[in-house]
Amino acid sequence: DAMVIQNPRYQVTQFGKPVTLSCSQTLNHNVMYWYQQKSSQAPKLLFHYYDKDFNNEADTPDNFQSRRPNTSFCFLDIRSPGLGDAAMYLCATTQPSSYNEQFFGPGTRLTVL
Amino acid sequence: AQRVTQPEKLLSVFKGAPVELKCNYSYSGSPELFWYVQYSRQRLQLLLRHISRESIKGFTADLNKGETSFHLKKPFAQEEDSAMYYCALSGRTGGFKTIFGAGTRLFVKA
Repeated sequence: DAMVIQNPRYQVTQFGKPVTLSCSQTLNHNVMYWYQQKSSQAPKLLFHYYDKDFNNEADTPDNFQSRRPNTSFCFLDIRSPGLGDAAMYLCATTQPSSYNEQFFGPGTRLTVL
Repeated sequence: AQRVTQPEKLLSVFKGAPVELKCNYSYSGSPELFWYVQYSRQRLQLLLRHISRESIKGFTADLNKGETSFHLKKPFAQEEDSAMYYCALSGRTGGFKTIFGAGTRLFVKA
């Protein structure tokens, strides 16, 4: 049973053309995260939500925005994708507790032409 | 500063040999340490966490606060263990963020 779902799995966009990636979860977790993962690198946190409370990482470019309309859904908007934004984008959730285990989606691979 | 260091990018062992993936951390406070694994074409998933003190797929990891380490060990590697392994840290100091190490690719040769 998929608990964290990401759509689409593969996204191709053109340089400068806005793109939206989506994530949904059936776990009812309070916290949702967006990570960027480039080849052979660790996931890099872009931002996270605790409920509707948005937390941006200091080094996340302004080009990246996010929306969380409800508990289940979270969106990543890339306003003007550049070639350097081509990567795997991972969504994850956690329920705050003493464990903070994260549950990851399968990722969306973004290609920028 | 909060940091997770995995000194080896690639670790190659023969099937049946012991394996140890190293992880050191820097954290002010009481951290929660995890090992995540990513098999080929699969999602990143939790392998084990220090607080559970469990063995998963034959892997164990002991938190050594004196050495600030959380090395992952398995006495006899299997080919299906080949994957990318990430050591990760979270705790109250960092809010709900998890900090990942750079990862170690384990390759188990037949």
